Amino acid sequence: AQSVSQHNHHVILSEAASLELGCNYSYGGTVNLFWYVQYPGQHLQLLLKYFSGDPLVKGIKGFEAEFIKSKFSFNLRKPSVQWSDTAEYFCAGVSGGYNKLIFGAGTRLAVHP
Amino acid sequence: KAGVTQTPRYLIKTRGQQVTLSCSPISGHRSVSWYQQTPGQGLQFLFEYFSETQRNKGNFPGRFSGRQFSNSRSEMNVSTLELGDSALYLCASSSSGPSGRLTDTQYFGPGTRLTVL
Repeated sequence: AQSVSQHNHHVILSEAASLELGCNYSYGGTVNLFWYVQYPGQHLQLLLKYFSGDPLVKGIKGFEAEFIKSKFSFNLRKPSVQWSDTAEYFCAGVSGGYNKLIFGAGTRLAVHP
Repeated sequence: KAGVTQTPRYLIKTRGQQVTLSCSPISGHRSVSWYQQTPGQGLQFLFEYFSETQRNKGNFPGRFSGRQFSNSRSEMNVSTLELGDSALYLCASSSSGPSGRLTDTQYFGPGTRLTVL
């Protein structure tokens, strides 16, 4: 079955620490991958997306992710987090171009000042 | 451009009742998808509509249904509510075309929080 998994369910960091959130997908064919963020009390917002081309994609707010096909991974990174990055982060994929998103379980990130 | 809007934002119902939720997509978007978000199951795809037709469907019982109008606005209906239907219901729209393939990003609304007592 198609699935997207996020290994870190809760992450706690101090400001200025580096961040890497793992995401793996388990389906083949055309792969479209996304990272969404949900700030407290707000709706899901797109951070970045990968459809094709350069496997290193840059998104908003200094986030980036690298698509590694051989590892079925699409990890999210940020070199220096801020308190305002406290949120829940979701990795999602679309397999074969079907117009539905398969979400990972989410990672709750807490950044302490 | 205005974002995706959903009404109502909060609903409280009792078991056995039915409920209708509404979603207005971003202007020009013809694809509307619905998702259920719960603490236990996370975000799960319900269904997607394009040009008033359901194109894709998730693994939910028939009590969950939807429709889309000619102006792309969409409604979803849940009949015979169960306690487990308590969730945040999210609507997303995209500029996806008629082929059923995802060609652009899905933009999410704020959701409707449904509580079933």
